[in-house]
Amino acid sequence: EAQVTQNPRYLITVTGKKLTVTCSQNMNHEYMSWYRQDPGLGLRQIYYSMNVEVTDKGDVPEGYKVSRKEKRNFPLILESPSPNQTSLYFCASSSPGSLGGYGYTFGSGTRLTVV
Amino acid sequence: AQTVTQSQPEMSVQEAETVTLSCTYDTSESDYYLFWYKQPPSRQMILVIRQEAYKQQNATENRFSVNFQKAAKSFSLKISDSQLGDAAMYFCAYAIKTSYDKVIFGPGTSLSVIP
Repeated sequence: EAQVTQNPRYLITVTGKKLTVTCSQNMNHEYMSWYRQDPGLGLRQIYYSMNVEVTDKGDVPEGYKVSRKEKRNFPLILESPSPNQTSLYFCASSSPGSLGGYGYTFGSGTRLTVV
Repeated sequence: AQTVTQSQPEMSVQEAETVTLSCTYDTSESDYYLFWYKQPPSRQMILVIRQEAYKQQNATENRFSVNFQKAAKSFSLKISDSQLGDAAMYFCAYAIKTSYDKVIFGPGTSLSVIP
């Protein structure tokens, strides 16, 4: 089954404790993105990657890091989480032409709470 | 900068009735995609319908249809014969055809369906 697998689904952590949210896709998509969803703001792009070793900042990159060492994986790293990073996070993937068809394929989301 | 606006944070509809969700966007591009995504309480992002800007014919998917007004930069979603399963958050989204890595989302409209 074509999918984007995102883990964990829920995460509660303390301020300053480094964490990683994993994202993996099995569709050989070139493009992968991370979004955060906040009430009244919709989804905002954090970082994106156009291919292996090619990443760039989205609209809200502060406090986040990403890496793309393999085509299928695109982890999101919070080196020192703060309470304002409490949010719902989505990983998504796409390929040239996919937006003309089914758009993004999304992971199931990670609900992160930083206390 | 491209923006997507949804002016109705919340809406409700009686079961079996019709409801229209509004969306406007701002862009200087001429070729792009527009999407409506549904997010039920499971928080999975589900593509409802997609429209290509150069196609004048409004897209339709079963009970879901759009009214695309390119000059007015308006992209509303009509849900006919509303069902309880239609209750969800709906996001309008926009993507430039040549920028597959970025989809811009509106703030969302929460739709309730009244039995």
